[in-house]
Amino acid sequence: GQQLNQSPQSMFIQEGEDVSMNCTSSSIFNTWLWYKQDPGEGPVLLIALYKAGELTSNGRLTAQFGITRKDSFLNISASIPSDVGIYFCAGRIDYNQGGKLIFGQGTELSVKP
Amino acid sequence: GAVVSQHPSWVICKSGTSVKIECRSLDFQATTMFWYRQFPKQSLMLMATSNEGSKATYEQGVEKDKFLINHASLTLSTLTVTSAHPEDSSFYICSARGHTANYGYTFGSGTRLTVV
Repeated sequence: GQQLNQSPQSMFIQEGEDVSMNCTSSSIFNTWLWYKQDPGEGPVLLIALYKAGELTSNGRLTAQFGITRKDSFLNISASIPSDVGIYFCAGRIDYNQGGKLIFGQGTELSVKP
Repeated sequence: GAVVSQHPSWVICKSGTSVKIECRSLDFQATTMFWYRQFPKQSLMLMATSNEGSKATYEQGVEKDKFLINHASLTLSTLTVTSAHPEDSSFYICSARGHTANYGYTFGSGTRLTVV
């Protein structure tokens, strides 16, 4: 089946540093989504990307939809302690197939004050 | 906008009993709802997709008779774990999508199920 490869699996950084994580797939997706999940909570949408090549920002977060439609990256600039959590990429399968999402394995981010 | 309420947030039940989890879209009509299962330190695994008024579509390997899904209205879907066993203990999360394809997918806050 379709799979997303998300890397890195975990990151330990100092407050103020920039962070970059990415997802790749052997399949084409029509939509890429980036979520953050805190412990014991559901994922919260950070950025949604709908067009190949699209570059979108949300505060200190920037994400891009790869030109090939098989990859996406998320950057976090000037990290702060509340950025701690697990970040997931998700690709959406064709809407006509139920529009279900396929999730990456997640990137666990730790920020040292 | 786009708020999804999931209840209960945690539940402990005895082996052999059934547990019902509710997922409600509070401020939009959810044409489709998704149910996920998540183990500690792992990603979300899609269990099933449900459309209002029709039978749910289950992912391969998910037991339909074990995990009963009902999506009777545009704002409510339920997941019932029947005859629960300790191996069913997990974090269950629902997600809802509105009419518009690009509306986005809003997740509930999850339900921690512990079967003892």
